[in-house]
Amino acid sequence: AQSVTQPDIHITVSEGASLELRCNYSYGATPYLFWYVQSPGQGLQLLLKYFSGDTLVQGIKGFEAEFKRSQSSFNLRKPSVHWSDAAEYFCAVGAGGNTGKLIFGQGTTLQVKP
Amino acid sequence: GAVVSQHPSWVICKSGTSVKIECRSLDFQATTMFWYRQFPKQSLMLMATSNEGSKATYEQGVEKDKFLINHASLTLSTLTVTSAHPEDSSFYICSARRQDNTGELFFGEGSRLTVL
Repeated sequence: AQSVTQPDIHITVSEGASLELRCNYSYGATPYLFWYVQSPGQGLQLLLKYFSGDTLVQGIKGFEAEFKRSQSSFNLRKPSVHWSDAAEYFCAVGAGGNTGKLIFGQGTTLQVKP
Repeated sequence: GAVVSQHPSWVICKSGTSVKIECRSLDFQATTMFWYRQFPKQSLMLMATSNEGSKATYEQGVEKDKFLINHASLTLSTLTVTSAHPEDSSFYICSARRQDNTGELFFGEGSRLTVL
């Protein structure tokens, strides 16, 4: 069965420090992978996605993610975190390919210390 | 960018009443929309896939008679929570898939339902 695991429920980093949010997936074929960000009480905003091609994907707000098939991972990174990055981050895999149907991980809450 | 709007943003209702939540794609057509449910501090759980002009496809464990989905046009899907109970209180989020070769997906802002 398809699944997504985000091992870190909560992460705190200092402003200006680097960030890596982990995501592992379980999927039989080539996965369609996504990272979304959710601010409190808001909907989801797409940060980046991977469908095929270059395994290092650039997204909005200075985020990037690297697809590693051998590790079944799609970790999200940012070299320097800003206070406005504090939010909930969700990794997701497209169920059944690029159908629009997504399976989400449990989410990681990012707290940024001044 | 494309916009998906949900209405209402929040609603409070009495137990036993029905509540309708709308999901609209404002500047694109969407043959497929998805409804998710999110409990506080938890992930999004897919409830159903809404297909324009046909019946919705529900995920396992989701009561189709409880959560009525209608996708009457290419820009509107509605979720009706029938005979709502306090345990139905949740954040409901829709997403819409653009009807072109991009198939891009856009999420609404969510609708918070509180059942008293």
